[in-house]
Amino acid sequence: DAGVIQSPRHEVTEMGQEVTLRCKPISGHDYLFWYRQTMMRGLELLIYFNNNVPIDDSGMPEDRFSAKMPNASFSTLKIQPSEPRDSAVYFCASSLGGSGQGGGYTFGSGTRLTVV
Amino acid sequence: GQQVMQIPQYQHVQEGEDFTTYCNSSTTLSNIQWYKQRPGGHPVFLIQLVKSGEVKKQKRLTFQFGEAKKNSSLHITATQTTDVGTYFCAGRGYGQNFVFGPGTRLSVLP
Repeated sequence: DAGVIQSPRHEVTEMGQEVTLRCKPISGHDYLFWYRQTMMRGLELLIYFNNNVPIDDSGMPEDRFSAKMPNASFSTLKIQPSEPRDSAVYFCASSLGGSGQGGGYTFGSGTRLTVV
Repeated sequence: GQQVMQIPQYQHVQEGEDFTTYCNSSTTLSNIQWYKQRPGGHPVFLIQLVKSGEVKKQKRLTFQFGEAKKNSSLHITATQTTDVGTYFCAGRGYGQNFVFGPGTRLSVLP
């Protein structure tokens, strides 16, 4: 398996623009997580899905953020409009079961977002 | 809400020295996981601990879960330059999501 695939790897955008981050989880995994990592706040859980259904979005910073999982092999995280404070590395992770059945979460390589 | 803390924040060691990072939770955990993130990389799962007092070893790495299931530690014996990175614990309270600690950044001087 190719692992969790995220695109793009890097994104530079101007403030106010819409940004869409994409994730393909590992086939067969039933949980998908979106995390944001910054130096100041560390790894923050934004939202997670179970069997394509959003379960907990309490970590989504504000209404500018939205996430979808239209099918088991694809998820998007959208920021509209983007702001400089959204600059961070965004990770997608997937797992089999909520705790990974002893195998933990598999993280993608991340998308480094810079909003100027 | 649940909080997970780690100490130290940074650790610089000479190659060959031992290293330990400690993880403490504000609440009792059902299980705890450890991850390693290399500079510029992504977190990679190392291990999961579930039982009170559990000890697991992976080569030079020793993981321990406290008796009260509120703390954990990762010990590396005889560090190597390949051990460089940030080590995160992630604790899961009963019926809750995993919460990641802030991590301990390890530097190994050759």
